[in-house]
Amino acid sequence: AQTVTQSQPEMSVQEAETVTLSCTYDTSESDYYLFWYKQPPSRQMILVIRQEAYKQQNATENRFSVNFQKAAKSFSLKISDSQLGDAAMYFCAYSGGWGATNKLIFGTGTLLAVQP
Amino acid sequence: NAGVTQTPKFRVLKTGQSMTLLCAQDMNHEYMYWYRQDPGMGLRLIHYSVGEGTTAKGEVPDGYNVSRLKKQNFLLGLESAAPSQTSVYFCASSYSTSRSYNEQFFGPGTRLTVL
Repeated sequence: AQTVTQSQPEMSVQEAETVTLSCTYDTSESDYYLFWYKQPPSRQMILVIRQEAYKQQNATENRFSVNFQKAAKSFSLKISDSQLGDAAMYFCAYSGGWGATNKLIFGTGTLLAVQP
Repeated sequence: NAGVTQTPKFRVLKTGQSMTLLCAQDMNHEYMYWYRQDPGMGLRLIHYSVGEGTTAKGEVPDGYNVSRLKKQNFLLGLESAAPSQTSVYFCASSYSTSRSYNEQFFGPGTRLTVL
């Protein structure tokens, strides 16, 4: 069975600084997808970024980027130029590839605080 | 376009009571999901559906039943609520997979407390 591990329950960053959130996963599949979701206090789940396992290039979305290390089964999220609005719970998630019905397996989350 | 909506937003039940949570989506998605979120445990899949009239168990299905009579609706039922079912429940939907993953769109969640 696939598992997702987030070993940092809480993190803190100064406004305008850079922070990296860690995620590791375990799978025997070769085709899969990885995601970072943001959950602000409103509870709404917001997709931040996704990575297809077959792509070697790391995904980037504006200030958000990932470091995908397939052999090490590591998938970290880097937030550059942190803003107060980035404060939220961040979840790493895994989904199997083609034909896997898109089911998501989530990590336990990292609560990010942004200090002004 | 409302996306994914959930009814109700909050509910308090007594142990043994029953209730149904309604999820509706207007994006013509084939796939729908129910997750529960508990402190320190992330989101866990309860049941899911890959099409009208079909449902399947997820990671934590015990104590719940689901139905997908219409493509746009996915109902989650608790026949006899227990305090262990106190949680925040999220519904999500997505297009079916072809060769690429399709994003899951989440509803706003339902906070359920069982006394």
